[in-house]
Amino acid sequence: DAGVTQSPTHLIKTRGQQVTLRCSPKSGHDTVSWYQQALGQGPQFIFQYYEEEERQRGNFPDRFSGHQFPNYSSELNVNALLLGDSALYLCASSFLQGEAFFGQGTRLTVV
Amino acid sequence: GQQVMQIPQYQHVQEGEDFTTYCNSSTTLSNIQWYKQRPGGHPVFLIQLVKSGEVKKQKRLTFQFGEAKKNSSLHITATQTTDVGTYFCAAWGNQFYFGTGTSLTVIP
Repeated sequence: DAGVTQSPTHLIKTRGQQVTLRCSPKSGHDTVSWYQQALGQGPQFIFQYYEEEERQRGNFPDRFSGHQFPNYSSELNVNALLLGDSALYLCASSFLQGEAFFGQGTRLTVV
Repeated sequence: GQQVMQIPQYQHVQEGEDFTTYCNSSTTLSNIQWYKQRPGGHPVFLIQLVKSGEVKKQKRLTFQFGEAKKNSSLHITATQTTDVGTYFCAAWGNQFYFGTGTSLTVIP
């Protein structure tokens, strides 16, 4: 049984570009959440998707958007990248607000 | 807005010593979860507490939820080098809040 998988593992982008990160949830999970974790900080909640809709959102600008597909996989899109967007982006799957299983993350570097 | 604070931010202990991290919320929590993140790794779920005053144990780890459901603690007895990592509490409000974390270093 595969856990949560994220792709790519590492990514380098230039300021102003756009990026798409992908997440496949743990088998049987229907809810996907995304987090941004800067170095030395705790994960910051970006948003949560359930039934293909954004259900809850953290304090992130509209440059951060997402999508959930019928097979429960999800994408995180970030437009107009800033240097400050450099971070580890974590995806977690769960049954609604229960125990969250995290993927290994995507390390995004904006130069 | 809701904040979840943890103390201490860092803790260095000799192997075999005990360790405790405390989590405090400005609002009443419906439940609280604890996660461990090893250096270079991702958060791993440890436990969820739901009831006021609840105490749960996992081997050398003891988790408590305060009577007012505004605070929680994680206590590790006789630390081992495998306990190294950052411990986060986390809770749902209008979003999922992670605490500031406590980074544990165990000196062999």
